Amino acid sequence: DIVMTQSPDSLAVSLGERATINCKSSQSVLYSSNNKNYLAWYQQKPGQPPKLLIYWASTRESGVPDRFSGSGSGTDFTLTISSLQAEDVAVYYCQQYYSTPGFTFGPGTKVDIK
Amino acid sequence: QVQLVQSGAEVKKPGSSVKVSCKASGGTFSSYAISWVRQAPGQGLEWMGGIIPIFGTANYAQKFQGRVTITTDESTSTAYMELSSLRSEDTAVYYCARSPLLHSSGWYDSWGQGTLVTVSS
Repeated sequence: DIVMTQSPDSLAVSLGERATINCKSSQSVLYSSNNKNYLAWYQQKPGQPPKLLIYWASTRESGVPDRFSGSGSGTDFTLTISSLQAEDVAVYYCQQYYSTPGFTFGPGTKVDIK
Repeated sequence: QVQLVQSGAEVKKPGSSVKVSCKASGGTFSSYAISWVRQAPGQGLEWMGGIIPIFGTANYAQKFQGRVTITTDESTSTAYMELSSLRSEDTAVYYCARSPLLHSSGWYDSWGQGTLVTVSS
């Protein structure tokens, strides 16, 4: 299975400031035939199911605010919240969907307000 | 987007089995993958397995091979996840989730509300 790691485990950011979360896969999730990275990002708030933010590493899901952006390729990826809002307090997970079966998730990064 | 509604919370004894259902509405059921993801208390997300109903063959995470069975009933647009030989470590919220890719699996844009399964003697 592909192992996903995230850093940091948690971070606290002031309102309006940038939050950056890193995700690393144990092997490349870039599929050469279509040049797509098989990597998604989710946001989860307490007591709720995860919510899709980003897929194909950088494509924002419909309705997701444009302060959320994804970047990276191969094994190294980043989720950036450009201007943190109070409603962004949550745990964020990356997930690879390159390796079937076994669409593994990262361990999560908790984002709080400083 | 499709809506996924799961069955209610369960309390089970160690060694028993649990079967959780996930009913889809508002979209085409057969052509899109349904997966099951669990989350132990205070822990992260763990992919268990998935199925594309029209193809009928489920794939499972190695960790759960032999203990989990994922099936679907296309007549009712319902997916099921059965986990056997339950132990306390299986106490978790179990989610179903759907991928929007036709005849394939990938990210999940629709999630059920979650079903809490508690394993306790």
